[in-house]
Amino acid sequence: ILNVEQSPQSLHVQEGDSTNFTCSFPSSNFYALHWYRWETAKSPEALFVMTLNGDEKKKGRISATLNTKEGYSYLYIKGSQPEDSATYLCAFRNYGQNFVFGPGTRLSVLP
Amino acid sequence: GAVVSQHPSWVICKSGTSVKIECRSLDFQATTMFWYRQFPKQSLMLMATSNEGSKATYEQGVEKDKFLINHASLTLSTLTVTSAHPEDSSFYICSARELSGTRREETQYFGPGTRLLVL
Repeated sequence: ILNVEQSPQSLHVQEGDSTNFTCSFPSSNFYALHWYRWETAKSPEALFVMTLNGDEKKKGRISATLNTKEGYSYLYIKGSQPEDSATYLCAFRNYGQNFVFGPGTRLSVLP
Repeated sequence: GAVVSQHPSWVICKSGTSVKIECRSLDFQATTMFWYRQFPKQSLMLMATSNEGSKATYEQGVEKDKFLINHASLTLSTLTVTSAHPEDSSFYICSARELSGTRREETQYFGPGTRLLVL
């Protein structure tokens, strides 16, 4: 059974603060790592697909890095805004497998 | 981006009844769709993979006769919870696979989910 962990489980930051959280996954047979943002009552929104060790992806104020050798990915949010409040999910894939999701990090950005 | 709809968003039913949930890809064709379930404070757990024109592939521990999946077209998959019981109360969410770039970069696009409460 593949285990994907995310930390912290939740966090509260002030508007304007930068923040980051972690997704940990098995380092063997890595295939791809996905990040999603999930706002309440909406569909999870695909943020990034990362496939290569050392990958860095950026979308506006959000960026992500990937270390497949040690089995982690960081998601960074620069200058957090209230609209960034959401649950951030990572999903791991190894060869031939479907998505295995982490439990998510719930971010609250306080105005 | 690709849009997936899911209907209904909320359903409350009596124990013993069956509930059908629809998942549609609105602006792309999805040969493969996925059904997940999420219990409170837990991860999304894959229930089954729905393949257009063929039988669904169920994950270990998921009852095929309890959770009927039909993927009759390239844009629609349905999940029917048969003879629902209170323990089936959960959040059910579907996704559809769209190939973007290389196969390794293909991603899943999700519907908004359906919250089922069985009384």
